[in-house]
Parts: sequence; structure tokens; C-alpha cells
Amino acid sequence: AQSVTQLGSHVSVSEGALVLLRCNYSSSVPPYLFWYVQYPNQGLQLLLKYTSAATLVKGINGFEAEFKKSETSFHLTKPSAHMSDAAEYFCAVRGRGFKTIFGAGTRLFVKA
Amino acid sequence: EADIYQTPRYLVIGTGKKITLECSQTMGHDKMYWYQQDPGMELHLIHYSYGVNSTEKGDLSSESTVSRIRTEHFPLTLESARPSHTSQYLCASSDLGQGQDYEQYFGPGTRLTVT
Repeated sequence: AQSVTQLGSHVSVSEGALVLLRCNYSSSVPPYLFWYVQYPNQGLQLLLKYTSAATLVKGINGFEAEFKKSETSFHLTKPSAHMSDAAEYFCAVRGRGFKTIFGAGTRLFVKA
Repeated sequence: EADIYQTPRYLVIGTGKKITLECSQTMGHDKMYWYQQDPGMELHLIHYSYGVNSTEKGDLSSESTVSRIRTEHFPLTLESARPSHTSQYLCASSDLGQGQDYEQYFGPGTRLTVT
């Protein structure tokens, strides 16, 4: 069965600092992996996705994630945080059939 | 503009009332989903549909029902609302065409409060 674990329900960084949001997955088949972002009072929006091409995936708003099969990880990073990055971030893995399994989310706070 | 819409955005209703949460998408997607979202928790899939006249229950037990009479429309109904139904409900859709990677497109959500 597929599963996703996001380490840290809350992450706080200063504006301009590195953002690192951690995600580990479990999958019995080669996975499709996703990061979504949710801003207050909105639905989820796709940030980036891994689909077995390049292991380093670039997304919108300067975010990127690296697929590491040996570590079963798909951590999300951004070199320099901006106040507008404050949101909740969800890691997800496509499971069996057409179901997508979502993590519990990590809320990112950005301090001025 | 292709998009996915949910109405109402916010709803406060008394116990025992029947409610229908609306979801429509203009992207022509075959697959549609309903998720329940609570703070600090994973999104829980409560219903999904492969296409017209096809609906399935998700992983989370739910007292709601859905229908899919038209490709673009996927309403969710609660026959008798209870306080335990208080939550955020997210509708999503995805395309099953060749080359698609199963990313989902989400509506803005309906925040339901049952008093």
C-alpha cells in the first residue's frame, strides 16, 4: 500500500532563508509524486510533480524537489523564502488505481 | 476559462437538514473526487467517479451520497446533517487521457458547519 509521511506539521523560516519541507513515501510500484500548496480559503494547487523523468523537479514560484529512491524521499526546497510562500504544503503519492494519497500537510510560516 | 467551481463556499446549517454541495468543472475531465479536509489531517477521499453514471465510495466512511449525471457536474448530498459533518469539503478533477500524470485540479472548497 502507498503512504506519505510529512515530517513537521509546522515549519517557520525567516524571509530570505532556505525552505525545506520533508516528505517520505512508501510505494510498492514506481511512484508518481506531487507537491501541492494551499493558500488560506482556497483549494489545493499543484506546485510540481515527479513522473520518473528527471529526479530534480522544478515547479512554480521557485520551488523544486528531488526524488531520492534510496531514501524514499521527495523533499521540497526553495533557496529564499518570501512572505507570499506562507501556506500549507501537501505531499502526495499516486496510489493503486486512480487514488492519490495525501500527507497531513506542513504549514509554512515566514517571518519578516 | 477552464476551471473547477464549488458552491456554496461557506454554509452554516442546523442538525437534521438536507444539504447539497455543488461542484462543476469546465475542463472536460472524466475523473472527479470529493475529499474531506480537517485541520492537521490528511485529505480523506470520500467519493470518486470515473465518468457519467459511475460513482464509488472512497476510503473514509461517509454518510453522504453523490451522483454523476453529467460529465461536468458532481454534487454531494447529506440527507440529514449532523455536527460530526462539520468540515471542509474539497472537490477535484483529473484527466485520464494518454500522457496525463494524474495531477488533480481542486476547487476552492466548501466549509460546512452543522450546529
